[in-house]
Amino acid sequence: GAVVSQHPSWVICKSGTSVKIECRSLDFQATTMFWYRQFPKQSLMLMATSNEGSKATYEQGVEKDKFLINHASLTLSTLTVTSAHPEDSSFYICSGITGGAEAFFGQGTRLTVV
Amino acid sequence: KQEVTQIPAALSVPEGENLVLNCSFTDSAIYNLQWFRQDPGKGLTSLLLIQSSQREQTSGRLNASLDKSSGRSTLYIAASQPGDSATYLCAVFSGGSNYKLTFGKGTLLTVNP
Repeated sequence: GAVVSQHPSWVICKSGTSVKIECRSLDFQATTMFWYRQFPKQSLMLMATSNEGSKATYEQGVEKDKFLINHASLTLSTLTVTSAHPEDSSFYICSGITGGAEAFFGQGTRLTVV
Repeated sequence: KQEVTQIPAALSVPEGENLVLNCSFTDSAIYNLQWFRQDPGKGLTSLLLIQSSQREQTSGRLNASLDKSSGRSTLYIAASQPGDSATYLCAVFSGGSNYKLTFGKGTLLTVNP
């Protein structure tokens, strides 16, 4: 199957700082990428839909000024958690969608804000 | 709004047993349905993709079926192994103005040696 690379796999940052997470589709072009957040022992919660060359579409309740999404190319989307706080600590996962509407996921990023 | 339900929430079986995981969804207007596997602290691995026009897909010991009209899918695992232990997630891809992939809460499978 197709490969999506997500980096970093884990990050620890101080409260008030910003963290950038990268999601790359390595062997296909993803006009659409999804960003999810996952709490312990919970399923994936969709945060936003990232579309190449246009603004992301955020789900209800997700602060777009706090979770900045950029999809500048067909193979790269980034999620920046701005002014991170301990409650932002979570597991973040991205997904690239192929032309055949099949989803492939990155390895996830464990964010810990201290 | 699409809602996906998975039953059971957890399942524990002895090695070698055949098992079935269930998934149901409320809106039958879907592009496709995917089954994923997630190991603790890891990302998701795609297992099977069933297009809306298909009835089933098979990969090795896995077989997934789709009944779009009734909003149901099953994942059949034959001759289970301890390495199959993981959380299995069902997701449906909806289109139109609601273009998104919606997940169920998953089934935590434990296969005991």
